[in-house]
Amino acid sequence: RKEVEQDPGPFNVPEGATVAFNCTYSNSASQSFFWYRQDCRKEPKLLMSVYSSGNEDGRFTAQLNRASQYISLLIRDSKLSDSATYLCVVNSLGGGFKTIFGAGTRLFVKA
Amino acid sequence: NAGVTQTPKFRVLKTGQSMTLLCAQDMNHEYMYWYRQDPGMGLRLIHYSVGEGTTAKGEVPDGYNVSRLKKQNFLLGLESAAPSQTSVYFCASGIQGANTGELFFGEGSRLTVL
Repeated sequence: RKEVEQDPGPFNVPEGATVAFNCTYSNSASQSFFWYRQDCRKEPKLLMSVYSSGNEDGRFTAQLNRASQYISLLIRDSKLSDSATYLCVVNSLGGGFKTIFGAGTRLFVKA
Repeated sequence: NAGVTQTPKFRVLKTGQSMTLLCAQDMNHEYMYWYRQDPGMGLRLIHYSVGEGTTAKGEVPDGYNVSRLKKQNFLLGLESAAPSQTSVYFCASGIQGANTGELFFGEGSRLTVL
């Protein structure tokens, strides 16, 4: 079983739609969680951290459920520019912090 | 405003050849990572380093070696390249802790092994 698993998609949604991605992780001792965004043929960049109480950044909302070991990302009012691959990221302790990426969920937002 | 710099950005090798990818960061980060990214597989951790002089194995370390002789540099070596090592390689650095952990990535190095 992979340490971090995501639905690969692709998710095809119209502009203005709300879309949600989930991600599960296997290591119950994982310390911190993030969502990254990766545009085609570019490097990943941090989108937002995920806090236990849930957090929001504009149209983006991230949630963490430690009991069920999953995190989620909700995008409201999708824009064309949101088209990208969204990577779930988990930090775990093991000889220092080890950062593990999910395989990513592809999102296409269409006009 | 360099951040994380990887060299070379593109390389074509023949099977059995060796090469070294260089990663340099100017942010004084303790942690550095090498990942490979393949279609449908996402980013997989090859090796990482929690500080100068230290290295550790990640998820897919076989066929690769690394060195962190200076804090700002993290080298990834392929001693005898194989076609299975054709991939895009990303280096990243960061300040890690229980509640932190943003990684800063280089632009990637595209390696083709024939």
